[in-house]
Amino acid sequence: GAVVSQHPSRVICKSGTSVKIECRSLDFQATTMFWYRQFPKQSLMLMATSNEGSKATYEQGVEKDKFLINHASLTLSTLTVTSAHPEDSSFYICSARVSGRENTGELFFGEGSRLTVL
Amino acid sequence: AQSVAQPEDQVNVAEGNPLTVKCTYSVSGNPYLFWYVQYPNRGLQFLLKYITGDNLVKGSYGFEAEFNKSQTSFHLKKPSALVSDSALYFCAVRDYMDSSYKLIFGSGTRLLVRP
Repeated sequence: GAVVSQHPSRVICKSGTSVKIECRSLDFQATTMFWYRQFPKQSLMLMATSNEGSKATYEQGVEKDKFLINHASLTLSTLTVTSAHPEDSSFYICSARVSGRENTGELFFGEGSRLTVL
Repeated sequence: AQSVAQPEDQVNVAEGNPLTVKCTYSVSGNPYLFWYVQYPNRGLQFLLKYITGDNLVKGSYGFEAEFNKSQTSFHLKKPSALVSDSALYFCAVRDYMDSSYKLIFGSGTRLLVRP
């Protein structure tokens, strides 16, 4: 099956620093990847759609300068939380869609990254 | 816009008993429906999907879901629950927004299987 690798799984950082999270599709190409944020005991909130070779599309209310997304290749998307603050602490999950199967809507998810900002 | 609703925050069931996790949908056109499971501090794992065909869809780990058009439901079921099935379950529907297909998730239902 399609495997998505997300790294790091856990990261602790000081307030004001930036943190980069990587999302890789290991055995397929992903023109489109998605970044979600999940608060404790809540559902997934779509943050942005990452498109290979073009700018990401952000959902309403998500600061694009705060959450930088880069999708430089068909297998890698990165999310950088810039100048992180304690309120950015959350569980971030990426997902990828197999290129050529966009119309199915089916997604494959990474294992998630728990960010804790002190 | 398409949406799904999971009316139960939590479902409790004894091991060995059948389980049902409810999901209802609201869509225009034919629905593409999904179930995912999330274990603590992990990403989501795909269980099954309905696109077309048989209303009873079989998926991973012995789960199945029944698509019911008249009731606009897509409930997840398993004949005999295991303690290891305890997790967070999400129903999702495909939507088309901003020139792209996306998944819209329900609020999630926590399943607790008692030994």
